[in-house]
This record gives sequence, structure tokens and C-alpha cells, in this order.
Amino acid sequence: SQQGEEDPQALSIQEGENATMNCSYKTSINNLQWYRQNSGRGLVHLILIRSNEREKHSGRLRVTLDTSKKSSSLLITASRAADTASYFCATDNGYALNFGKGTSLLVTP
Amino acid sequence: GAGVSQSPRYKVTKRGQDVALRCDPISGHVSLYWYRQALGQGPEFLTYFNYEAQQDKSGLPNDRFSAERPEGSISTLTIQRTEQRDSAMYRCASSFGQGTTEAFFGQGTRLTVV
Repeated sequence: SQQGEEDPQALSIQEGENATMNCSYKTSINNLQWYRQNSGRGLVHLILIRSNEREKHSGRLRVTLDTSKKSSSLLITASRAADTASYFCATDNGYALNFGKGTSLLVTP
Repeated sequence: GAGVSQSPRYKVTKRGQDVALRCDPISGHVSLYWYRQALGQGPEFLTYFNYEAQQDKSGLPNDRFSAERPEGSISTLTIQRTEQRDSAMYRCASSFGQGTTEAFFGQGTRLTVV
């Protein structure tokens, strides 16, 4: 079963703008991860945030986690055309990752 | 190898045939996962191995699906008596430790049942 739910399902922005994607989940987690998938290819790990963390940065990525609301957000700043991809949040229940349906991001030049 | 390797990349099979999908994880990775991904959807968990032990197979859709990892390295996902609804991308992932840290995904096997 898929636990995470990303919002919006699709997002279209212009290069240079920021993109924000949200993820809501249902049960308690050990950590939450974000992955990127380009055009149906393999998934690539972006960032992991632990349940006792509230915010994490990696380059142009910023992830927040609110365990009380069971939600997370991924912010991509100064987007580039190469950021066009599907983005998935994945919740970790201790051994397996459960993925949401993803947000499809289109960045136009 | 450098990454998770899956074979074959593409498999077309006739309904009713059995298929075996192979996953070669990153050397030394303890955990191995199988996922299925339909077009436009996120990966759906199928099963998980810790070394050679199948810790969770709750995501396997029915008893036609089985998986093994006999020596704690290469894994095989077998689908017996394939049906058209089995058509999907099957993805394997591995991670270094027990439980999930960063998972590394293979390129997947695209299965088409005709």
C-alpha cells in the first residue's frame, strides 16, 4: 500500500522559480525520504530527514518535516530545466520504504 | 558492480508463462527490496530481504509471486502463470544497513504480458 500522498500531482514553473511539493502520510515513521525519477527511469535518492529533525538542506533542496501534522515539504530553489522529473516522498516504517504517487514537475526555460 | 543491476531490462511473455526477474544488488548491501511501479504511479512495495531472510512479503499480490535471495546477494522474483495485469515495471533496490537508509534502485525490468 502507498502511504505517502504528494501534492500537487503536477506542477509547472519557469526556470529560476521555486518549486514546493508537499507530502502527507498516515502512520508513524522513522524517517522520510525524497526521491527523483526522470522520465520513467530509475529513482534517485535526494534527501533523508529523520523523525527528530525539522528541517534539512542539501544544495538547492530544502526539506521540512512536521511529525505532528504527518507532513513534509520539498522546496527546490532557483529551478532549472534539468529539475523536470517526478518527485516522490517515501516513508520508512523501520525496514521498507512506502512511496506516494508523486508530483510531476515541469520546469520550462 | 557499481550499482544495482537488473535483468532482463525488457521482457515480453505470453499469458500463462512463468517469468524470473533477476536483481544483483550493490556488493555488501544487506537489505534488498522489490517494488512494482505502474505508469504514473509510485513504486509499490512487494517484498524485503535482510541478507537471505525474507522479512516481509506482505506486498506480494498473490501466491503466483515469489522471491528468493538464497545466498544473501542476488535475488530472483518469479511470477508464475503470468496474467496481463502483471504487466508493469519491476524495480529492485538495495541499501547498506538493516532498515532503510538511502536505497539505491536499479533501472528496472519492464514486463509486458501479452
